[in-house]
Amino acid sequence: AQSVTQLDSQVPVFEEAPVELRCNYSSSVSVYLFWYVQYPNQGLQLLLKYLSGSTLVKGINGFEAEFNKSQTSFHLRKPSVHISDTAEYFCAVVFNNAGNMLTFGGGTRLMVKP
Amino acid sequence: EPEVTQTPSHQVTQMGQEVILRCVPISNHLYFYWYRQILGQKVEFLVSFYNNEISEKSEIFDDQFSVERPDGSNFTLKIRSTKLEDSAMYFCASSRTAGTGELFFGEGSRLTVL
Repeated sequence: AQSVTQLDSQVPVFEEAPVELRCNYSSSVSVYLFWYVQYPNQGLQLLLKYLSGSTLVKGINGFEAEFNKSQTSFHLRKPSVHISDTAEYFCAVVFNNAGNMLTFGGGTRLMVKP
Repeated sequence: EPEVTQTPSHQVTQMGQEVILRCVPISNHLYFYWYRQILGQKVEFLVSFYNNEISEKSEIFDDQFSVERPDGSNFTLKIRSTKLEDSAMYFCASSRTAGTGELFFGEGSRLTVL
């Protein structure tokens, strides 16, 4: 079965520390991979995406993610977080080029503390 | 910056009542979607819409649900006879193209069924 898993529901971190938010997927077909962010009282916003090519992709606000096909992972990283990065982060996958039908992970709440 | 807008932001209704959630997608976008998130659960795909017809729908999108683009700007989701389990945050999204997964989401409409 095709699924997306975000192992950490909450990640507390101090300001200026590095962070990694984990995402794994289960699929035997080709995938497109995405990270969306939801700030309080706002809609989901695309952070970055992997469609093909270089496995390291850079997104907005200093975030990057690396596609690891052998580990079926697409972890999100930032070397130094800010208070303003506090938000809910969603990993999402399109399986087998299925249009724009996103399958979401459960979300990870990043809480940046001063 | 263009954005997807949704109304109402919050609606409370009695079980069995009809509900219409409204969305104004970004003006030059051609593909429209509804997703929902039940409290504490994952964001789930409901339906996609292109060229005035449904292009994909999930098993959640049963006969109680319908979508419509009544004019050149609005995109609506109707639930004919609401159930308690329809209580959720409903997100509208739009995209300019298909296949890239880059969706622009609204802030959501929270539906509470009593």
